[in-house]
Amino acid sequence: ETGVTQTPRHLVMGMTNKKSLKCEQHLGHNAMYWYKQSAKKPLELMFVYNFKEQTENNSVPSRFSPECPNSSHLFLHLHTLQPEDSALYLCASSQANGANYGYTFGSGTRLTVV
Amino acid sequence: GESVGLHLPTLSVQEGDNSIINCAYSNSASDYFIWYKQESGKGPQFIIDIRSNMDKRQGQRVTVLLNKTVKHLSLQIAATQPGDSAVYFCAENTGGFKTIFGAGTRLFVKA
Repeated sequence: ETGVTQTPRHLVMGMTNKKSLKCEQHLGHNAMYWYKQSAKKPLELMFVYNFKEQTENNSVPSRFSPECPNSSHLFLHLHTLQPEDSALYLCASSQANGANYGYTFGSGTRLTVV
Repeated sequence: GESVGLHLPTLSVQEGDNSIINCAYSNSASDYFIWYKQESGKGPQFIIDIRSNMDKRQGQRVTVLLNKTVKHLSLQIAATQPGDSAVYFCAENTGGFKTIFGAGTRLFVKA
């Protein structure tokens, strides 16, 4: 375990479903991130939260909705997704911003949209 | 624009040999670089980092070299082991919360 826990590990959902991904860290980090990892593509930053405040939204479609109730928890709410949204969704945290510290990643949620 | 790219998508080495994974970056303003290792079924794991005021940094069996003149980053793994088989990503940060990752190089270690 890295200290960043993601649930569920696998998720299959229909295009009309609503589901949520959960991320939890107990490392004392104040920044949390959602990344999307598709086959043969670099990791794509989706959202950044610093001390519960969203600091980055990397032009993500509104069918992805993040929520950060506190510095230890991060959610990604999903609704009316498309098959091309199938990917590995990775959560990460860092002590401060990425200019000084590397990230600690969770193992990801493998999402399949059918 | 900003980009981080890897020269080789796959690298195959014999167990015990040294491995060198290369990365090019295009943003001269980047001042912090990180290498990550991703094993199957896991998220990326931090290996080693280097700041732009350095050109070399060593860890346990790993060395990162930074050449700012040609905007090139490399990861050297000494005495490569089967457990080193993974995808390796370089990443760059220009300050703030936006870290850009490269496409990744898959390392195969032959026994």
